Parts: sequence; structure tokens; C-alpha cells
Amino acid sequence: KAGVTQTPRYLIKTRGQQVTLSCSPISGHRSVSWYQQTPGQGLQFLFEYFSETQRNKGNFPGRFSGRQFSNSRSEMNVSTLELGDSALYLCASSLPPLANTGELFFGEGSRLTVL
Amino acid sequence: GESVGLHLPTLSVQEGDNSIINCAYSNSASDYFIWYKQESGKGPQFIIDIRSNMDKRQGQRVTVLLNKTVKHLSLQIAATQPGDSAVYFCAENQGAQKLVFGQGTRLTINP
Repeated sequence: KAGVTQTPRYLIKTRGQQVTLSCSPISGHRSVSWYQQTPGQGLQFLFEYFSETQRNKGNFPGRFSGRQFSNSRSEMNVSTLELGDSALYLCASSLPPLANTGELFFGEGSRLTVL
Repeated sequence: GESVGLHLPTLSVQEGDNSIINCAYSNSASDYFIWYKQESGKGPQFIIDIRSNMDKRQGQRVTVLLNKTVKHLSLQIAATQPGDSAVYFCAENQGAQKLVFGQGTRLTINP
């Protein structure tokens, strides 16, 4: 069974630009969540989608947005990039919410560098 | 507020010894905790979980202990191996797949 796939793996942007990151969940997983990982703040929850609906959102500014498609694939977008947005962005998928476990399956992440 | 913290940022153990990684939480209502392992260049990987109606749960070479009185949990790894080198995170599941992670403990194995 293929794992969670994130693209691109690495990217470099400049301040003010925008970026879109993509995530393909494990087949059959309908919940997709996104996390930001930085050395200073650690792993922080961005948002979670299920059946194309955002069910939960972390404490990030509106520049961070996401969506989920009918095939459960998800994208997140960061607009007007700031230096502090440099981070590893991790996508995780999980079984339908009725399972409600903490077992998230993470991808290897997209490492964003903002110059 | 939400807070999950680890006691030590780094831990160094001898190969073959047991490792104990500690974590504290602040919310008495927290009822579900998970341990993740993150190897270099990879995303976090689920190790084991425990609910608040349990004090202990065992997996393969790992045991998680939960002390609700002092709001503390620990991950014990038996007979630590080189492949156990990683950063270990405790996390609280706050529902709708939202996890609040601690800062992580880097476990280093000495030969």
C-alpha cells in the first residue's frame, strides 16, 4: 500500500510569493491534516479536512489555506510568504473519523525555504 | 490552554539499555495520548497510544505509562537498538485528528 505522498519535496520561494503544496493520502483514507514543523515551534496543527470540508483549524493567519478534493487529495496554499514561513510542511492521512484514533500516517513533508 | 511538554530535549543511552522518555501535560481533561517517532528526513511515525482509562499499555519493545495524578506519561523502550535513534514526540489527540505535540526528545544510541 502506497504511503502518503507529498509534492514537491523541496522548494525555495521569495518573500511575497505564494506556494501550493500537494498531498495524496493513503488509499481509503478520507481525513487529511496538515502540520507545520519548525525548530522553534515544533509540530503545529494547521488544519484538517474530511469529505472536502475543513473540520478543524489551528492558530495560523488567513494566509494559510487548504482544500480537499473529492478523491481525498489535498492542497495547502500559503500566500504572501514571509521568512518565518520557512518550515517542513507535513501532511497526514487517517481512517474515517469514526475510528478517531491518534494514528496519523505522515508523508515525508515538503520543505519550504523563503528567502 | 493546550500544553504538552517533554522533560528533556536530548537523551543518550547505551545500546542494549532501556530508554525512558518523559512527557508532561497540563489539561486534566486530556484523555488520549500518542507517541510518535521521527527519523531524520522522514515524517513522524506512530508508535503507541494510550487512553486515560488505562495506566499502562505495551507494544513490541515499548511501554507507555500514564500517571493522571501528576499528569505525566512516559515511553519506555526496552533493549535500545541503533534503529531507535530518532526524535520522539508525545502528543495529545484533541479530536478531529488534531494533535498537539510536545517539543520532542532526541534519542541517541551509543555503541
